[in-house]
Amino acid sequence: QSALTQPASVSGSPEQSITISCTGTSSDVGSYNVVSWYQQHPGRAPKVLIYEVTKRPSGVSNRFSGSKSGNTASLTISGLQAEDEADYYCCSYAGSGTYVFGTGTEVTVL
Amino acid sequence: QVQLQESGPGLVKPSETLSLTCTVSGGSISGYYWSWIRQPPGKGLEWIGYIYYSGTTDYNPSLKSRVTISIDTSKNQLSLRLSSVTAADTAVFYCVRHDLQKRAFDYWGQGTLVTVSS
Repeated sequence: QSALTQPASVSGSPEQSITISCTGTSSDVGSYNVVSWYQQHPGRAPKVLIYEVTKRPSGVSNRFSGSKSGNTASLTISGLQAEDEADYYCCSYAGSGTYVFGTGTEVTVL
Repeated sequence: QVQLQESGPGLVKPSETLSLTCTVSGGSISGYYWSWIRQPPGKGLEWIGYIYYSGTTDYNPSLKSRVTISIDTSKNQLSLRLSSVTAADTAVFYCVRHDLQKRAFDYWGQGTLVTVSS
């Protein structure tokens, strides 16, 4: 069970859109529509942004959206804001009751 | 509002067993899976395992031989034991609720740093 692969960093200017990829295998991302995304600000616990690939919990901005194609899931942040500067992690169900997280992506707002 | 609070020693010696407790308040422990997730300083998240309120467990295969998660529904508490620790086990440990319907980790404790050092 290896960590899902994310780019180490992604940056964008305010109001731009950015996309973070999360690449797994046919044993995790590719087999299950159970991908979630988490935002983590420094020194804070993570917060769920997206679950089941595309769904947003109540209270999460609609600027955050998720998608999946094959073994790769993606998180798109539209209308980038300064407060979006944080680390982002994907997570996938990997079968047999187990979960695996991504390597994490640092988002910088230029 | 569900709140989770981790507690336990902040320093553990190499080869010993790390033990943490999580107290759940503001909601019942029943009906949910409860996870432990860790994060080494400056690194990413790693799922350790979870326990259903009935006692059923699943663990990360890479840690399975060293991990035990237990639950005490009468106290609204869950516990983590990680044996034979090394410096590589130094991390912030989070207690987290896993929502069965959303299949996501929706409530997180603040985390507690455990350092493995002699």
